[in-house]
Amino acid sequence: GNSVTQMEGPVTLSEEAFLTINCTYTATGYPSLFWYVQYPGEGLQLLLKATKADDKGSNKGFEATYRKETTSFHLEKGSVQVSDSAVYFCALKFVQGAQKLVFGQGTRLTINP
Amino acid sequence: DSGVTQTPKHLITATGQRVTLRCSPRSGDLSVYWYQQSLDQGLQFLIQYYNGEERAKGNILERFSAQQFPDLHSELNLSSLELGDSALYFCASSASGRSYNEQFFGPGTRLTVL
Repeated sequence: GNSVTQMEGPVTLSEEAFLTINCTYTATGYPSLFWYVQYPGEGLQLLLKATKADDKGSNKGFEATYRKETTSFHLEKGSVQVSDSAVYFCALKFVQGAQKLVFGQGTRLTINP
Repeated sequence: DSGVTQTPKHLITATGQRVTLRCSPRSGDLSVYWYQQSLDQGLQFLIQYYNGEERAKGNILERFSAQQFPDLHSELNLSSLELGDSALYFCASSASGRSYNEQFFGPGTRLTVL
């Protein structure tokens, strides 16, 4: 079946550190890939997305590149801030069929000043 | 603020009871999705409605049902509640059911079954 695997958390970094959160997927076909962020007490917000191989999604300093050969969509940011503390979810969705998002287990990120 | 509202914010009830969770989509959005976030299962898709009709079903238990009303708000009904139903239930909406439409999530309803 279709699934998403994220790096285990929690992740704790100091402000201005480099961030990588790994995400790999298993899918029959070529899904669109997403990163969502969940701040405390809030719903999920779309952070970035990529719809085909080699696409790079970017937003608020975060980037992720759709790598078909390694079935990966790792999230990166060059210099994190305290305000980036949240839970990050990698997800996939297919163009055809049910428009359901399939999520990874989430990675809790804490940034210390 | 995503524009999706969910009520109530918190719900505490006992095993065997029945509850109704409500979702109002963003203005103009026709499609509503329900997701369950639990510690053991993670975030899972339950069901999707589009303009009043069921469009897709995921891992939704038979004790759970949903509907979308003519004004496009949706309700998720959970019955014969068990301890394991304790979770955060999210509603999301999109303009249509098409792949290119972003899903906007509400803040969730936290259900605690005692």
